[in-house]
Amino acid sequence: AQTVTQSQPEMSVQEAETVTLSCTYDTSESDYYLFWYKQPPSRQMILVIRQEAYKQQNATENRFSVNFQKAAKSFSLKISDSQLGDAAMYFCAYIRGGSQGNLIFGKGTKLSVKP
Amino acid sequence: ETGVTQTPRHLVMGMTNKKSLKCEQHLGHNAMYWYKQSAKKPLELMFVYNFKEQTENNSVPSRFSPECPNSSHLFLHLHTLQPEDSALYLCASSQDKGINTGELFFGEGSRLTVL
Repeated sequence: AQTVTQSQPEMSVQEAETVTLSCTYDTSESDYYLFWYKQPPSRQMILVIRQEAYKQQNATENRFSVNFQKAAKSFSLKISDSQLGDAAMYFCAYIRGGSQGNLIFGKGTKLSVKP
Repeated sequence: ETGVTQTPRHLVMGMTNKKSLKCEQHLGHNAMYWYKQSAKKPLELMFVYNFKEQTENNSVPSRFSPECPNSSHLFLHLHTLQPEDSALYLCASSQDKGINTGELFFGEGSRLTVL
């Protein structure tokens, strides 16, 4: 069975600095996608970044980038120039290719941003 | 209105009550989902509907009964719930493209408390 593990329940970063959130996953599939979702205190979960397993290049979205290590089954999220609005729960998620909506989530990492 | 809207935002019910959660999406998507978010646990997929047809029931107890009258609306009917059913219930939608890549759009959730 596929699993997603986030080993950091809470993280803290100073405003304008960089923070990395860790995620590991376990799967025997070759076709899959990985995601980072953000859930601010208002509770609406939004997609931050997506990585296709077949792509070697790490995905980037503005200040957000990932370090995708396929062999190690590691998928960390780096947030550069952290802003107060980045404070939220961050969930790493996995989906097997062709699997409708059955995202497997980690337990989340609560990120605090200090001014 | 835009996005995914869930009502009510908060619901308190006794174990013998019958209530319903409502979800509406204005994104033109044709797949809708119910997820359960409990404290300190990963999000759990409950149900998936694609073009109004239920395509997945993730071993959810029968005291939860979903209904999808059209691609824009999704309900979760609740009856004889248990206190352990207290959680945040998240609705999500996605555009089915044959191979679902897991990009979901979430509502803000309905916080359910069962007394």
